[in-house]
Amino acid sequence: DADVTQTPRNRITKTGKRIMLECSQTKGHDRMYWYRQDPGLGLRLIYYSFDVKDINKGEISDGYSVSRQAQAKFSLSLESAIPNQTALYFCATSDLDLEQFFGPGTRLTVL
Amino acid sequence: LAKTTQPISMDSYEGQEVNITCSHNNIATNDYITWYQQFPSQGPRFIIQGYKTKVTNEVASLFIPADRKSSTLSLPRVSLSDTAVYYCLVGDNSNSGYALNFGKGTSLLVTP
Repeated sequence: DADVTQTPRNRITKTGKRIMLECSQTKGHDRMYWYRQDPGLGLRLIYYSFDVKDINKGEISDGYSVSRQAQAKFSLSLESAIPNQTALYFCATSDLDLEQFFGPGTRLTVL
Repeated sequence: LAKTTQPISMDSYEGQEVNITCSHNNIATNDYITWYQQFPSQGPRFIIQGYKTKVTNEVASLFIPADRKSSTLSLPRVSLSDTAVYYCLVGDNSNSGYALNFGKGTSLLVTP
């Protein structure tokens, strides 16, 4: 089984809908991250969490919220989706070192 | 927060050695240099990490000069499957600065 899983893998939704993307990990890591990637661009950090009680904004947090339900789970929510949030979303985890382990990604399309 | 600069794209033929250089002039004393590889529609994958001098593993080598203001990822004898985007990150594990640095990376195209 994969160490970092993301659900759903693909999602098409309409403008104004609330969407939740979920991430689970079995690596036992304390640190979890959410990134988005747009075509031809690198990854941009949305939110990150260094432990269950820690939530921090990244570079582009506006329009997003997160929940760290447990060490193994980190969810990303779009309260009211808009078309420019159409992107590929990645969850990642890391231990105290700098190696991040990425999930397979969620492709989100907002119509 | 150390800023990194790397070429947008590079081309190579199969079997050649490829060197991708990353500039990080304001690297801090505690910062490490880490490289990732990303294939289309997949998450990035860790390749190699170093602090100074040279690091080698089964996939690549990382050369870091004494002043640590740049680093070079070396891929020996590339194959078509090495076509990917390569990211250079600089930071330490005490804060999120490291995680902010993916940028656009270097897109490597390997052709026959």
